[in-house]
Amino acid sequence: EVQLSQSGPEVKKPGESLKISCKGSGYIFTDYWIGWVRQMPGKGLEWMGIIYPGDSDTTYSPSFQGQVTISADKSTSTAYLQWSGLKASDTAMYYCARTGIAGSLSYWGQGTLVTVSS
Amino acid sequence: SYELTQPPSVSVSPGQTATITCSGDALPKKSAFWYQQKSGQAPVLVIYDDSKRPSGIPERFSGSRSGTMATLTISGAQVEDEADYYCYSTDSSGNLWVFGGGTKLTVL
Repeated sequence: EVQLSQSGPEVKKPGESLKISCKGSGYIFTDYWIGWVRQMPGKGLEWMGIIYPGDSDTTYSPSFQGQVTISADKSTSTAYLQWSGLKASDTAMYYCARTGIAGSLSYWGQGTLVTVSS
Repeated sequence: SYELTQPPSVSVSPGQTATITCSGDALPKKSAFWYQQKSGQAPVLVIYDDSKRPSGIPERFSGSRSGTMATLTISGAQVEDEADYYCYSTDSSGNLWVFGGGTKLTVL
Protein backbone atom coordinates (compact mmCIF):
# COMPACT_ATOMS: atom_id res chain seq x y z
CA GLU A 1 0.00 0.00 0.00
CA VAL A 2 1.37 3.41 -0.98
CA GLN A 3 1.75 5.67 2.04
CA LEU A 4 3.19 9.13 2.59
CA SER A 5 3.87 9.88 6.26
CA GLN A 6 4.55 13.51 7.12
CA SER A 7 6.29 14.90 10.16
CA GLY A 8 4.33 16.40 13.02
CA PRO A 9 3.06 19.93 13.63
CA GLU A 10 5.55 22.71 14.16
CA VAL A 11 5.39 26.00 16.04
CA LYS A 12 8.17 28.41 15.15
CA LYS A 13 9.11 32.07 15.54
CA PRO A 14 9.66 34.45 12.63
CA GLY A 15 13.18 34.17 11.27
CA GLU A 16 13.71 30.59 12.40
CA SER A 17 14.55 27.79 10.01
CA LEU A 18 12.51 24.65 9.51
CA LYS A 19 12.65 21.39 7.58
CA ILE A 20 9.56 19.18 7.35
CA SER A 21 9.55 15.67 5.97
CA CYS A 22 7.48 13.25 3.93
CA LYS A 23 8.45 9.56 4.04
CA GLY A 24 7.26 7.32 1.24
CA SER A 25 6.57 3.61 1.63
CA GLY A 26 4.91 0.81 -0.30
CA TYR A 27 6.49 1.75 -3.62
CA ILE A 28 9.84 2.44 -5.29
CA PHE A 29 10.60 5.92 -4.00
CA THR A 30 12.87 6.92 -6.88
CA ASP A 31 10.30 6.14 -9.58
CA TYR A 32 7.68 8.81 -8.85
CA TRP A 33 7.60 12.59 -8.49
CA ILE A 34 6.65 14.09 -5.12
CA GLY A 35 5.02 17.49 -4.97
CA TRP A 36 4.40 19.94 -2.14
CA VAL A 37 1.15 21.86 -1.73
CA ARG A 38 0.40 24.75 0.62
CA GLN A 39 -2.99 25.51 2.11
CA MET A 40 -3.18 28.68 4.17
CA PRO A 41 -5.91 28.87 6.82
CA GLY A 42 -9.32 28.97 5.15
CA LYS A 43 -7.77 29.23 1.70
CA GLY A 44 -7.24 27.08 -1.39
CA LEU A 45 -4.54 24.70 -2.53
CA GLU A 46 -1.31 26.12 -3.95
CA TRP A 47 1.20 24.04 -5.91
CA MET A 48 4.66 24.85 -4.57
CA GLY A 49 6.93 22.58 -6.56
CA ILE A 50 7.88 19.04 -7.35
CA ILE A 51 10.92 16.76 -7.15
CA TYR A 52 11.92 13.52 -8.85
CA PRO A 53 13.86 11.61 -6.19
CA GLY A 54 15.58 9.48 -8.82
CA ASP A 55 17.80 12.35 -9.90
CA SER A 56 16.61 15.25 -7.68
CA ASP A 57 15.26 17.13 -10.70
CA THR A 58 13.17 19.91 -9.10
CA THR A 59 10.73 22.49 -10.44
CA TYR A 60 9.35 25.34 -8.35
CA SER A 61 6.30 27.48 -8.81
CA PRO A 62 7.43 31.05 -9.52
CA SER A 63 5.52 32.06 -6.38
CA PHE A 64 7.74 29.88 -4.20
CA GLN A 65 11.08 29.97 -6.07
CA GLY A 66 13.72 31.27 -3.67
CA GLN A 67 11.36 31.07 -0.70
CA VAL A 68 11.65 27.35 0.03
CA THR A 69 13.91 24.43 -0.83
CA ILE A 70 12.63 21.02 -1.88
CA SER A 71 14.95 18.05 -1.55
CA ALA A 72 14.89 14.27 -1.29
CA ASP A 73 17.02 11.55 0.32
CA LYS A 74 16.88 8.29 -1.62
CA SER A 75 18.52 6.35 1.19
CA THR A 76 15.63 7.05 3.56
CA SER A 77 12.84 7.44 0.96
CA THR A 78 12.10 10.87 2.37
CA ALA A 79 11.30 14.18 0.70
CA TYR A 80 11.79 17.50 2.47
CA LEU A 81 10.51 21.05 2.39
CA GLN A 82 12.62 23.65 4.15
CA TRP A 83 12.73 27.33 4.99
CA SER A 84 15.74 29.35 6.08
CA GLY A 85 13.84 32.28 7.54
CA LEU A 86 10.18 31.75 8.36
CA LYS A 87 7.59 34.50 8.18
CA ALA A 88 4.17 34.69 9.80
CA SER A 89 2.71 34.35 6.31
CA ASP A 90 4.21 30.84 6.10
CA THR A 91 1.60 29.68 8.59
CA ALA A 92 -0.28 26.96 6.73
CA MET A 93 -0.93 23.27 6.26
CA TYR A 94 1.62 21.69 3.97
CA TYR A 95 0.86 18.50 2.07
CA CYS A 96 3.19 16.23 0.16
CA ALA A 97 1.72 14.12 -2.61
CA ARG A 98 3.03 11.50 -5.00
CA THR A 99 2.26 11.40 -8.68
CA GLY A 100 0.25 8.51 -10.04
CA ILE A 101 -2.49 8.30 -12.64
CA ALA A 102 -1.64 10.41 -15.69
CA GLY A 103 0.79 12.53 -13.71
CA SER A 104 -1.78 13.65 -11.18
CA LEU A 105 -1.04 13.92 -7.47
CA SER A 106 -2.70 10.64 -6.60
CA TYR A 107 -1.44 9.83 -3.11
CA TRP A 108 -1.36 12.43 -0.36
CA GLY A 109 0.25 12.69 3.03
CA GLN A 110 -1.79 13.67 6.06
CA GLY A 111 -0.39 17.19 6.07
CA THR A 112 1.96 19.08 8.39
CA LEU A 113 0.64 22.18 10.14
CA VAL A 114 3.25 24.92 10.44
CA THR A 115 2.49 27.84 12.72
CA VAL A 116 4.80 30.86 12.73
CA SER A 117 4.15 33.32 15.49
CA SER A 118 6.13 35.59 17.77
CA SER B 1 1.88 33.24 -14.08
CA TYR B 2 -0.76 30.78 -15.19
CA GLU B 3 -4.19 30.78 -13.56
CA LEU B 4 -7.22 28.52 -13.48
CA THR B 5 -10.51 30.25 -12.67
CA GLN B 6 -13.39 28.61 -10.79
CA PRO B 7 -16.61 30.01 -9.33
CA PRO B 8 -16.26 30.47 -5.55
CA SER B 9 -19.44 28.61 -4.73
CA VAL B 10 -22.15 26.38 -6.15
CA SER B 11 -25.28 25.32 -4.33
CA VAL B 12 -27.75 22.56 -5.22
CA SER B 13 -30.45 20.53 -3.54
CA PRO B 14 -29.91 16.80 -2.94
CA GLY B 15 -30.54 14.82 -6.11
CA GLN B 16 -29.91 17.76 -8.40
CA THR B 17 -26.98 18.07 -10.80
CA ALA B 18 -24.04 20.21 -9.70
CA THR B 19 -21.79 21.73 -12.35
CA ILE B 20 -18.43 23.30 -11.53
CA THR B 21 -16.41 25.03 -14.22
CA CYS B 22 -12.70 25.76 -14.57
CA SER B 23 -11.26 28.06 -17.21
CA GLY B 24 -7.66 28.41 -18.31
CA ASP B 25 -5.83 29.48 -21.43
CA ALA B 26 -3.85 26.24 -21.74
CA LEU B 27 -6.84 23.93 -21.33
CA PRO B 28 -7.35 23.51 -25.10
CA LYS B 29 -4.11 21.50 -25.06
CA LYS B 30 -3.72 20.31 -21.45
CA SER B 31 -5.78 17.83 -19.48
CA ALA B 32 -7.71 18.77 -16.37
CA PHE B 33 -7.89 16.96 -13.07
CA TRP B 34 -10.35 17.45 -10.23
CA TYR B 35 -9.89 17.06 -6.49
CA GLN B 36 -12.43 16.89 -3.69
CA GLN B 37 -11.43 18.17 -0.27
CA LYS B 38 -13.70 17.71 2.70
CA SER B 39 -13.22 19.76 5.83
CA GLY B 40 -10.08 18.81 7.73
CA GLN B 41 -9.02 16.17 5.21
CA ALA B 42 -6.42 15.83 2.49
CA PRO B 43 -7.61 16.23 -1.11
CA VAL B 44 -8.85 13.20 -3.05
CA LEU B 45 -8.58 12.80 -6.84
CA VAL B 46 -12.05 12.36 -8.35
CA ILE B 47 -11.38 12.93 -12.07
CA TYR B 48 -8.19 12.58 -14.12
CA ASP B 49 -7.44 13.17 -17.79
CA ASP B 50 -10.54 15.36 -18.12
CA SER B 51 -13.14 12.63 -17.76
CA LYS B 52 -11.79 9.44 -16.17
CA ARG B 53 -12.71 8.28 -12.68
CA PRO B 54 -10.20 6.60 -10.36
CA SER B 55 -11.35 3.35 -8.84
CA GLY B 56 -13.68 3.88 -5.91
CA ILE B 57 -15.10 7.19 -7.16
CA PRO B 58 -18.89 7.01 -7.64
CA GLU B 59 -20.27 7.09 -11.18
CA ARG B 60 -22.19 10.28 -10.44
CA PHE B 61 -18.88 12.15 -10.82
CA SER B 62 -18.00 12.98 -14.43
CA GLY B 63 -15.82 15.47 -16.24
CA SER B 64 -15.39 17.05 -19.63
CA ARG B 65 -13.18 19.58 -21.36
CA SER B 66 -13.91 21.84 -24.31
CA GLY B 67 -11.83 24.76 -25.47
CA THR B 68 -10.59 26.81 -22.53
CA MET B 69 -13.01 25.24 -20.05
CA ALA B 70 -13.12 22.04 -18.04
CA THR B 71 -16.26 20.97 -16.22
CA LEU B 72 -16.93 18.71 -13.25
CA THR B 73 -20.47 17.37 -13.08
CA ILE B 74 -22.02 15.61 -10.11
CA SER B 75 -25.25 13.99 -11.24
CA GLY B 76 -27.68 13.48 -8.40
CA ALA B 77 -25.53 15.23 -5.80
CA GLN B 78 -25.62 13.76 -2.32
CA VAL B 79 -25.23 15.51 1.02
CA GLU B 80 -21.88 13.71 1.43
CA ASP B 81 -20.60 15.41 -1.74
CA GLU B 82 -20.53 18.72 0.09
CA ALA B 83 -16.87 19.78 -0.10
CA ASP B 84 -14.41 22.08 -1.80
CA TYR B 85 -13.51 21.11 -5.35
CA TYR B 86 -10.32 22.13 -7.12
CA CYS B 87 -9.34 21.82 -10.75
CA TYR B 88 -5.68 21.12 -11.47
CA SER B 89 -3.74 21.41 -14.68
CA THR B 90 -0.48 22.58 -16.18
CA ASP B 91 0.57 25.60 -18.15
CA SER B 92 1.45 25.38 -21.84
CA SER B 93 5.03 24.34 -21.04
CA GLY B 94 3.84 21.30 -19.11
CA ASN B 95 6.28 22.06 -16.31
CA LEU B 96 4.29 24.28 -13.98
CA TRP B 97 1.16 22.92 -12.36
CA VAL B 98 -1.55 25.04 -10.77
CA PHE B 99 -4.75 24.57 -8.82
CA GLY B 100 -7.85 26.58 -9.46
CA GLY B 101 -9.06 28.78 -6.63
CA GLY B 102 -11.56 26.16 -5.50
CA THR B 103 -15.34 25.93 -5.49
CA LYS B 104 -17.35 25.31 -2.34
CA LEU B 105 -20.20 22.95 -3.14
CA THR B 106 -23.17 23.16 -0.81
CA VAL B 107 -25.79 20.41 -1.01
CA LEU B 108 -28.89 21.21 1.02
